[in-house]
Amino acid sequence: QGQLVQSGAEVKKPGASVKVSCKASGYSFTSYGISWVRQAPGQGLEWMGWISAYSGDTNSAQKFQGRVTLTTDTSTSTAYMQLRSLRSDDTAVYYCARDGPGTYYGIDVWGQGTTVTVSS
Amino acid sequence: QSVLTQPPSVSGAPGQRVTISCTGSSSNIGAGYDVHWYQQLPGAAPKLLIYGDSNRPSGVPDRFSGSKSGTSASLAITGLQVEDEADYYCQSYDSNLSDSYVFGTGTKVTVL
Repeated sequence: QGQLVQSGAEVKKPGASVKVSCKASGYSFTSYGISWVRQAPGQGLEWMGWISAYSGDTNSAQKFQGRVTLTTDTSTSTAYMQLRSLRSDDTAVYYCARDGPGTYYGIDVWGQGTTVTVSS
Repeated sequence: QSVLTQPPSVSGAPGQRVTISCTGSSSNIGAGYDVHWYQQLPGAAPKLLIYGDSNRPSGVPDRFSGSKSGTSASLAITGLQVEDEADYYCQSYDSNLSDSYVFGTGTKVTVL
């Protein structure tokens, strides 16, 4: 069925970077993509971007282009999301989630979430 | 702000039927892109409830159903139960936004 386990909570200062990891197990990692979704306190879900675990191709929301880097390590079935130039409004829970194949199946497996707090 | 609009809240008594709308446009739902629905219980990660407009993943009760028409989609919950009290989000794909996924604004379902 699959499971995604994310790295622990982070506290960062404005202007810093954060890198969140997401380790997959229980399924063929390269047969799916990984989407990253965040949720600010009391707010809705916001899609950040997607990476193909097979090819490494990425696509990110316009809002995050230039500030987010998505990567994978197929040898360890781990996906990474790095967000740079952090601001206070980047404080949120960040989720990785299994996506696809294609757009028909939706996002069917979610990590537990990683809380990132940006504060001076 | 999201390009998929949902009502902020919906409520119903146990056993009743409630519906949640998700209104988009010709660049997302109206273009025929798949619509998915997620349930998020307090303090938990979202859970896939409906995929491909109207399909339920294994384990999702048949009380939940999805439909799509034109530029809108809907999620219906029949026989509302206390444990259905949660936030619900629709999701689709938008060709105007760098070919991005988009989530709806979210709807809080309250069981009276």
